[in-house]
Amino acid sequence: GESVGLHLPTLSVQEGDNSIINCAYSNSASDYFIWYKQESGKGPQFIIDIRSNMDKRQGQRVTVLLNKTVKHLSLQIAATQPGDSAVYFCAEKAGRRALTFGSGTRLQVQP
Amino acid sequence: DGGITQSPKYLFRKEGQNVTLSCEQNLNHDAMYWYRQDPGQGLRLIYYSQIVNDFQKGDIAEGYSVSREKKESFPLTVTSAQKNPTAFYLCASKPQGLNYGYTFGSGTRLTVV
Repeated sequence: GESVGLHLPTLSVQEGDNSIINCAYSNSASDYFIWYKQESGKGPQFIIDIRSNMDKRQGQRVTVLLNKTVKHLSLQIAATQPGDSAVYFCAEKAGRRALTFGSGTRLQVQP
Repeated sequence: DGGITQSPKYLFRKEGQNVTLSCEQNLNHDAMYWYRQDPGQGLRLIYYSQIVNDFQKGDIAEGYSVSREKKESFPLTVTSAQKNPTAFYLCASKPQGLNYGYTFGSGTRLTVV
């Protein structure tokens, strides 16, 4: 079936470095993608989204890249801070379907 | 402040009991969703509703039931038919339209004792 997956379950980076979290998806009809951040015991928090007619979108310290050819999505976090430590999920949907979430990547920021 | 509120934060259920998780939003969002999250895993869709008095099953609806009598409220009942109900339950909502992110509540952690 269709799925959204992540390449790395845990990513450890030094404070101040840039982080890149990757995500692969399999549904070629997916047209909307979101990255969420989830801290322990809390609900996911929206970070940034991108539509399928774009290949890059920037926010504050974050950039999402979409490569539809290889069905790959990435989240780049610039100058990673200790407060960025969390689990990051990519999610996708096609049309009116509900969001499908990946299994998550844990980002650990070392001081 | 507008938001989405889940209650209770922690819930303990005895085997064989039904329990209802509350989800209320004052964001005037049309669509509401229930997801289940198990430790170290992603979110799996239980039920969703795009309009009052209408709802659809998600990927893991067995053992759960919902109602959508009001736009603001989307309660989830975990029935005794759900064999492994211990999990973190997340409610979300979004405005009408195709491409909007979901706003999530803070979750309810259900434990069977």
